[in-house]
Amino acid sequence: NAGVTQTPKFQVLKTGQSMTLQCAQDMNHEYMSWYRQDPGMGLRLIHYSVGAGITDQGEVPNGYNVSRSTTEDFPLRLLSAAPSQTSVYFCASSSKHLTSPKNIQYFGAGTRLSVL
Amino acid sequence: AQKITQTQPGMFVQEKEAVTLDCTYDTSDPSYGLFWYKQPSSGEMIFLIYQGSYDQQNATEGRYSLNFQKARKSANLVISASQLGDSAMYFCAMREVQTGANNLFFGTGTRLTVIP
Repeated sequence: NAGVTQTPKFQVLKTGQSMTLQCAQDMNHEYMSWYRQDPGMGLRLIHYSVGAGITDQGEVPNGYNVSRSTTEDFPLRLLSAAPSQTSVYFCASSSKHLTSPKNIQYFGAGTRLSVL
Repeated sequence: AQKITQTQPGMFVQEKEAVTLDCTYDTSDPSYGLFWYKQPSSGEMIFLIYQGSYDQQNATEGRYSLNFQKARKSANLVISASQLGDSAMYFCAMREVQTGANNLFFGTGTRLTVIP
């Protein structure tokens, strides 16, 4: 019963390094998203996807890239890490019932990223 | 304007007592959903309860209930018979159907501490 799997759980980067946060789900969900959680600010949406080949920006997309080549995977790329990207990152997925407000998102365990 | 407001940064409750966590929201969309998530110290986001804007009755899930007052735009979470394991961060979130995507707006959270 894997659900949403994120790797790695922890990562330390130096400023300017690049890396990819991995996210995979086994629930055949069409919708996937990435959030970041900063102290005192709740979760904010970075990017999302409503299906393979379709991605769009959320509230805080700058400095991040995404792609969605399969239904299962939705990686988040940091091309040149900055200290401001130190945060906890969550991936989430749900089925794509766009006309229904009841669309529960299921979250991965999170990736704690520090950029020095 | 903030879409979701949680005005209680921290709350304390005696074990076995009930506690109410406040959430107010702001939207002009007539169709929306309200969600509560729990984040224990281990960091994962756990879905607790959902309330739809057209639901006539307040949602309940075991010891969790939602006090939904549509005219006041509030969706307070009530936890009855608090347990030590309820100590966690609690987030209120909203989805607006008219956005066309399943994106969630989160509040800043309330840290609940259950006292033995």
